[in-house]
Amino acid sequence: GESVGLHLPTLSVQEGDNSIINCAYSNSASDYFIWYKQESGKGPQFIIDIRSNMDKRQGQRVTVLLNKTVKHLSLQIAATQPGDSAVYFCAENINDYKLSFGAGTTVTVRA
Amino acid sequence: SAVISQKPSRDICQRGTSLTIQCQVDSQVTMMFWYRQQPGQSLTLIATANQGSEATYESGFVIDKFPISRPNLTFSTLTVSNMSPEDSSIYLCSVDWGGGDTEAFFGQGTRLTVV
Repeated sequence: GESVGLHLPTLSVQEGDNSIINCAYSNSASDYFIWYKQESGKGPQFIIDIRSNMDKRQGQRVTVLLNKTVKHLSLQIAATQPGDSAVYFCAENINDYKLSFGAGTTVTVRA
Repeated sequence: SAVISQKPSRDICQRGTSLTIQCQVDSQVTMMFWYRQQPGQSLTLIATANQGSEATYESGFVIDKFPISRPNLTFSTLTVSNMSPEDSSIYLCSVDWGGGDTEAFFGQGTRLTVV
């Protein structure tokens, strides 16, 4: 499954499929980006980050892609599991360690 | 990563009253921040809590409404003053150790309902 556009609020994906969550950021001067996962009743949890001098970074089952030309960030989750159901936020570093968060995408994994 | 504890985890308050939220970190941190997350929405930065000096507020947030304290490198409080139903939100404490990467960590949040 894939979310498209500036901020599609929900993404439904079949268990075992790959998920792609998209995010458009606003500040061309941003040099650091983070993806967070927020489960119900909890604070955001760090997933993966990427600096502006990179265009791809991989973690465990997750990959972040950065396209600075169009100011676009994506998070790919491989073999999506029920535990991946959550709201996912991208965040950009604006200055002095402050983060600006995107609208968020709710991911629901179908069994 | 450090353990970030917020108290209370949730509260229901009467309009016109004030609530103070505490954030305790189990190790010293450089930066502490307070965010607001309105129902079904993203996070908005309220202010940076500065140790030993007044907090730095973002546009749209003022000290009279959201006074913040940070007496040391492991603790901060946020007060939501003279509450109205519009203040019903999740309030989140975030910390950063500084250095090269801004990998901010969050507490579990305080879910506030104003009636």
